[in-house]
Amino acid sequence: QQQVKQSPQSLIVQKGGISIINCAYENTAFDYFPWYQQFPGKGPALLIAIRPDVSEKKEGRFTISFNKSAKQFSLHIMDSQPGDSATYFCASSSGGSYIPTFGRGTSLIVHP
Amino acid sequence: DTAVSQTPKYLVTQMGNDKSIKCEQNLGHDTMYWYKQDSKKFLKIMFSYNNKELIINETVPNRFSPKSPDKAHLNLHINSLELGDSAVYFCASSSTGGNSPLHFGNGTRLTVT
Repeated sequence: QQQVKQSPQSLIVQKGGISIINCAYENTAFDYFPWYQQFPGKGPALLIAIRPDVSEKKEGRFTISFNKSAKQFSLHIMDSQPGDSATYFCASSSGGSYIPTFGRGTSLIVHP
Repeated sequence: DTAVSQTPKYLVTQMGNDKSIKCEQNLGHDTMYWYKQDSKKFLKIMFSYNNKELIINETVPNRFSPKSPDKAHLNLHINSLELGDSAVYFCASSSTGGNSPLHFGNGTRLTVT
């Protein structure tokens, strides 16, 4: 299974700060890059996703930056809030594969 | 309405037993999955299944088997449970093709004693 490398493993930020989580992928056939958010006791839920035809996608306080040449993408959370405290997963997949590949997750804690 | 529902939410059993986890989705998706999440939160794909093809992660022991009575259901059967099987198991579904978002259930926490 192709790897998706995610960092950092854990992240602590103050309320109002910027949270940045990075992912790198190997397979150049990947064409769909979602981020999932998971709260304790719940399943992961889609937060935001990007396709490689754009370099950035923004939805509210959440932004994905995508660098196709470097095979990297990142999640930026602006004005981080305590309610953003969760585990975040990046993933990659392609139209020809039924099996999305997940990063190992980042535990984000936002202090009030 | 719950889009992807799993039962039971908690399952405690002894080594050597056989157990099943049920999953149903009402999203009309063609593809369903089972993931295992370990204590370090790593999400490991176990199976991917649609009405044409079952893809098995070769690292999954053959004690685990998916069974799909219809497109909306994908159950997970586990035989001869072992201590290392303790984890949270997530069912998910998506539209056909790898570039669609996954919709996850809320998981089944399996504890083997």
